[in-house]
Amino acid sequence: DTEVTQTPKHLVMGMTNKKSLKCEQHMGHRAMYWYKQKAKKPPELMFVYSYEKLSINESVPSRFSPECPNSSLLNLHLHALQPEDSALYLCASRDVGGDEQYFGPGTRLTVT
Amino acid sequence: GENVEQHPSTLSVQEGDSAVIKCTYSDSASNYFPWYKQELGKRPQLIIDIRSNVGEKKDQRIAVTLNKTAKHFSLHITETQPEDSAVYFCAAPWGGAGGTSYGKLTFGQGTILTVHP
Repeated sequence: DTEVTQTPKHLVMGMTNKKSLKCEQHMGHRAMYWYKQKAKKPPELMFVYSYEKLSINESVPSRFSPECPNSSLLNLHLHALQPEDSALYLCASRDVGGDEQYFGPGTRLTVT
Repeated sequence: GENVEQHPSTLSVQEGDSAVIKCTYSDSASNYFPWYKQELGKRPQLIIDIRSNVGEKKDQRIAVTLNKTAKHFSLHITETQPEDSAVYFCAAPWGGAGGTSYGKLTFGQGTILTVHP
């Protein structure tokens, strides 16, 4: 299995809602990433997990809360988001011995 | 850290023409340079990459060249087809202090390539 999967594909949420995004890979990769991407802009790194530990937090607001419950799963918990948080949220994984990052299909998030 | 500049921001070509996208980077220690293609509404997909121990790599109609001295690398697409239309991103690794980059990439701003039939 050489694929990163993400659920849901689309999510619409109000500013008072709590929701979660899920990412899964079964390639044995021990580095996992969350990115935020606005239209026609490059992916913007949010968080990096290495061996299930949070290694990089790019000064992301606390309304985004990552979680890595095991080596195959990565979650992003969302709470009290703002309309400007509407974007494509991408997950990626990497074999720590390699360079290539494998991206999931993303979750299209709309905050109303 | 790493700074990556990508040009042009938009590129329009006729089918069958060649397309060239250029990126410059700032960290001379960078050793891995991927190119991603992203079609509308889809994930970034790695199309080719090059490591600093080679100057050129080719895969069918796609090639990447690297000039370490000048710190720039380029994507070349020959015999372009309408399905090559997409946003293309270059990237370079972020060095980090003491090797603690965790594979972090710095992306260029992207090039919107349009291939007209």
